[in-house]
Amino acid sequence: QKEVEQDPGPLSVPEGAIVSLNCTYSNSAFQYFMWYRQYSRKGPELLMYTYSSGNKEDGRFTAQVDKSSKYISLFIRDSQPSDSATYLCATHILTGGGNKLTFGTGTQLKVEL
Amino acid sequence: KAGVTQTPRYLIKTRGQQVTLSCSPISGHRSVSWYQQTPGQGLQFLFEYFSETQRNKGNFPGRFSGRQFSNSRSEMNVSTLELGDSALYLCASSLEGVGSRSYNSPLHFGNGTRLTVT
Repeated sequence: QKEVEQDPGPLSVPEGAIVSLNCTYSNSAFQYFMWYRQYSRKGPELLMYTYSSGNKEDGRFTAQVDKSSKYISLFIRDSQPSDSATYLCATHILTGGGNKLTFGTGTQLKVEL
Repeated sequence: KAGVTQTPRYLIKTRGQQVTLSCSPISGHRSVSWYQQTPGQGLQFLFEYFSETQRNKGNFPGRFSGRQFSNSRSEMNVSTLELGDSALYLCASSLEGVGSRSYNSPLHFGNGTRLTVT
């Protein structure tokens, strides 16, 4: 079983829809949570990161973390065709030092006109 | 400010050969990490370097190695290539990496090197 599970999709929505992307994780030691967006032939681009449970909003994007149920979500409001990409959730443990992210496999999103 | 630069963008190699990939981090960033991305496994952590020292290592065989130079630039080497090594290799940099109570140094990725092993 992977430490971070993510529905691969693909997910197809009409322009203007609210998109909900979700991940679950198994390791309660994970403390930081991130969402990356990856366009075709590009590297992942950081969208949002959060440390605590609750919501964090940035423009049309809202990241939500529920540590009690080990569930993280990304909501996209008023989705646009330019949002079409693969969305990756990632988690991180605060160790004595070092960066090591554990990623979900990514959800492919297509926003259609 | 220039982003993370990876060279080359594409590589085609034959089984048994070796390959070296290069990464230039964002100016001022001291931590460089390498990830392998495949359709089946997604992004998997290879290793991280900080101030020329390997700080973390993932579960990859010893054929995968890396190093970091004093200017923070990093190289990754794969020896005795196998067909299963075909993947997108991503480099990411951050200011320092996690080691304190406050995490404000997220990873910034390059666009990767697409390696095809035939």
